[in-house]
Amino acid sequence: KAGVTQTPRYLIKTRGQQVTLSCSPISGHRSVSWYQQTPGQGLQFLFEYFSETQRNKGNFPGRFSGRQFSNSRSEMNVSTLELGDSALYLCASSAGTSVRQETQYFGPGTRLLVL
Amino acid sequence: GENVEQHPSTLSVQEGDSAVIKCTYSDSASNYFPWYKQELGKGPQLIIDIRSNVGEKKDQRIAVTLNKTAKHFSLHITETQPEDSAVYFCAAILNDMRFGAGTRLTVKP
Repeated sequence: KAGVTQTPRYLIKTRGQQVTLSCSPISGHRSVSWYQQTPGQGLQFLFEYFSETQRNKGNFPGRFSGRQFSNSRSEMNVSTLELGDSALYLCASSAGTSVRQETQYFGPGTRLLVL
Repeated sequence: GENVEQHPSTLSVQEGDSAVIKCTYSDSASNYFPWYKQELGKGPQLIIDIRSNVGEKKDQRIAVTLNKTAKHFSLHITETQPEDSAVYFCAAILNDMRFGAGTRLTVKP
């Protein structure tokens, strides 16, 4: 089975721009979660989707949003980029209905650099 | 919410020695505790996990122990090899997954 794929792998943007990141879960997985990883804050939960519905949201500003499509693929969007948004954005999928139930498998991440 | 603390932040061992990484969590309702290994340029990879109805789990050279009363769990790697060098994260799951800050393990040949 193919693993979680994320596109693009690397991205450079400037402050004020917006960005959309994409995640394709493992085939058959319907739950997708997003995380932000930075050297200072570590791994932080952004949001979780199941069946096109956001199930849970972390403590991030409204500039961070996401969605899930009927084929379980997910996108996250960050608007009005700030320098502090530079990070590795990780997507994880699981076979269960939520992060509480099943193991999560991570993709390789999208590294975003905001200049 | 859940708070996970992980120690040590860095750990250096000689090849063949054992390595132990410890984590504590704050919410006694957390019931699932995975451990992830992250190599440079890659996403975290699950190496072992334990649920709250189990005290210990072993998979070859890797073992995890859980003490629910004390709210701590530990990762044990025996007979370490250079390829074990990576950053290891513990996590606790309640409503979402909360990660420890990570331990950079270096195994010297």
